[in-house]
Amino acid sequence: DQQVKQNSPSLSVQEGRISILNCDYTNSMFDYFLWYKKYPAEGPTFLISISSIKDKNEDGRFTVFLNKSAKHLSLHIVPSQPGDSAVYFCAATTDSNYQLIWGAGTKLIIKP
Amino acid sequence: ETGVTQTPRHLVMGMTNKKSLKCEQHLGHNAMYWYKQSAKKPLELMFVYSLEERVENNSVPSRFSPECPNSSHLFLHLHTLQPEDSALYLCASSRENDKFYLSSYGYTFGSGTRLTVV
Repeated sequence: DQQVKQNSPSLSVQEGRISILNCDYTNSMFDYFLWYKKYPAEGPTFLISISSIKDKNEDGRFTVFLNKSAKHLSLHIVPSQPGDSAVYFCAATTDSNYQLIWGAGTKLIIKP
Repeated sequence: ETGVTQTPRHLVMGMTNKKSLKCEQHLGHNAMYWYKQSAKKPLELMFVYSLEERVENNSVPSRFSPECPNSSHLFLHLHTLQPEDSALYLCASSRENDKFYLSSYGYTFGSGTRLTVV
């Protein structure tokens, strides 16, 4: 049973436009959500996180939105750049267990 | 340089071979993890070490044997693997029981070892 789901295996976006990556979760006990970015043949790198007590966190071109009632979060990248082409993983953790629960990832392709 | 170094980057081994993957971190972290990433699958947590003690073993076959001699080093010993074990093996580290650190920085991953079993 996957507690963190990324239902879109891939997403293609024009350079300069907004990329929106989605993530759904089932465990209402999750209190932190994180996004990671992964290039081929490299390990994931931490991108941005959000606490469950917030509904938005912004860092430069990256904004994460959290809708607790819908158990849904999204990562917005604007404007999208070629270097953003990568696989993006959503992850979550609870207050009592500091291990991360991972989604399957979404491959983002930025078209020139 | 991510702060977590994995060697080798690539490994091809036969099913009867014995090999070891190495992971090293000098970030002052006290928790280390082995993950497996197969094509089109979520990251699979294999082992967790906290303060050099194994705290989790997610039903991993005994042909995978972890070792954590100190807080900076982690090994994954491999023997009699199967072709389906071919994958990217990732090491990660973090600060255990530090919610602020985990929520702000997450795990730090190495670049992984691409393992091919022939």
